[in-house]
Amino acid sequence: QSVLTQPPSVSAAPGQKVTISCSGSSSNIGNNYVSWYQQLPGTAPKLLIYDNNKRPSGIPDRVSGSKSGTSATLGITGLQTGDEADYYCGTWDSSLSAVVFGGGTKLTVL
Amino acid sequence: QVQLQESDPGRVKASETLSLTCSVSGGSISSSYCYWGWIRQAPGKGLEWIGSISYSARSTYNNPSLKSRATISIDTPKNQFSLTLNSVTAADTAIYYCARHNIAVADPFDNWGQGTLVTVSS
Repeated sequence: QSVLTQPPSVSAAPGQKVTISCSGSSSNIGNNYVSWYQQLPGTAPKLLIYDNNKRPSGIPDRVSGSKSGTSATLGITGLQTGDEADYYCGTWDSSLSAVVFGGGTKLTVL
Repeated sequence: QVQLQESDPGRVKASETLSLTCSVSGGSISSSYCYWGWIRQAPGKGLEWIGSISYSARSTYNNPSLKSRATISIDTPKNQFSLTLNSVTAADTAIYYCARHNIAVADPFDNWGQGTLVTVSS
């Protein structure tokens, strides 16, 4: 059981928008920055969003992140088939003194 | 650009010790207060953080769920960091990734190795 809770799967049509939620508690999301990772099939995870809503160099602005209280959300607009991947949220848990991840969400672009 | 590469131990027998090394190129593992970590992913499952270490900060953090089976160390002359996991079972079969935190242990992993599959066999 993951410390952070994500929906197992989401889907949307090409060109549409999708959001993926990540729920935690005051010891993790509530008091620490959230990051998001994209894992394409057969590859290592890649950082998509850090510090709740910042994009590393090379990540397009159709990818966004937000945080409110003990939940965070990843948004992707203008969906492309190349966006089909598993997405993970992650943060630091101050009570556990540990890095924690969500269970992952599989995005299907129909 | 910093690059990370895991060693390839292949198969490990149950009850024995798993040893992995991450070789870092394009930057010094001992510079700044950067943390370096290990993450694993069992087949078809999500990401699990194992632990992280910083040479400059003289500090190590480990996932308490692994019950002290994991040890992470740094070899600065070789610019490598390592993971040993003792008393392995089939549940330790996974792809093991090494990665770099942006800086602090609470920062995200901004650079990952390609991963290496470790299979625990009986």
